[in-house]
Amino acid sequence: AQTVTQSQPEMSVQEAETVTLSCTYDTSENNYYLFWYKQPPSRQMILVIRQEAYKQQNATENRFSVNFQKAAKSFSLKISDSQLGDTAMYFCAHRSGAGSYQLTFGKGTKLSVIP
Amino acid sequence: GAGVSQTPSNKVTEKGKYVELRCDPISGHTALYWYRQSLGQGPEFLIYFQGTGAADDSGLPNDRFFAVRPEGSVSTLKIQRTERGDSAVYLCASSLVAGSSGGNEQFFGPGTRLTVL
Repeated sequence: AQTVTQSQPEMSVQEAETVTLSCTYDTSENNYYLFWYKQPPSRQMILVIRQEAYKQQNATENRFSVNFQKAAKSFSLKISDSQLGDTAMYFCAHRSGAGSYQLTFGKGTKLSVIP
Repeated sequence: GAGVSQTPSNKVTEKGKYVELRCDPISGHTALYWYRQSLGQGPEFLIYFQGTGAADDSGLPNDRFFAVRPEGSVSTLKIQRTERGDSAVYLCASSLVAGSSGGNEQFFGPGTRLTVL
């Protein structure tokens, strides 16, 4: 079974600064997908960024980028130029490349952007 | 609507009662997922539908939990004899297809917060 670990329950960052959220995972598969979701107080889970394990290039979406280290099973999220609207819970998630397509989530990191 | 909708937004019930939680997926999405998010935790998988059939129900905690999707669109999660430990946010997600190809992003609804007194 896959497991996802987020070791930082809470983090804070000054507005306009850069912050990195950590995530490690455990899987025996070679083909899988990794995701970062944002959950504001409205409870709506919003996809921030995704990474296919077979791609060596790190995914980037505007101010969000990842550092994917497949051998180390590490998948960190970097947020550049942090904005007040980035304040939310952030969840790292894994999805198998075959079989059931359920997402396995970590416990989340609560990010606060300070003005 | 444009996104996944869930009703009710909040549900308060008494221990031992029966509840139904509804999910309306994005039109045309064939795959539908239910997750449960307890306080301070990440969502945990309950069940996944491909069309009308439950393709994977391995996450349902016990036989008090049941879900249906009779016409391949709307789904209902049913909980019998509710217990205080069932209190959580129940999230629904849908995706265009369930396969590992490009159409597999899961879009989430806002969830139903269930409180069992």
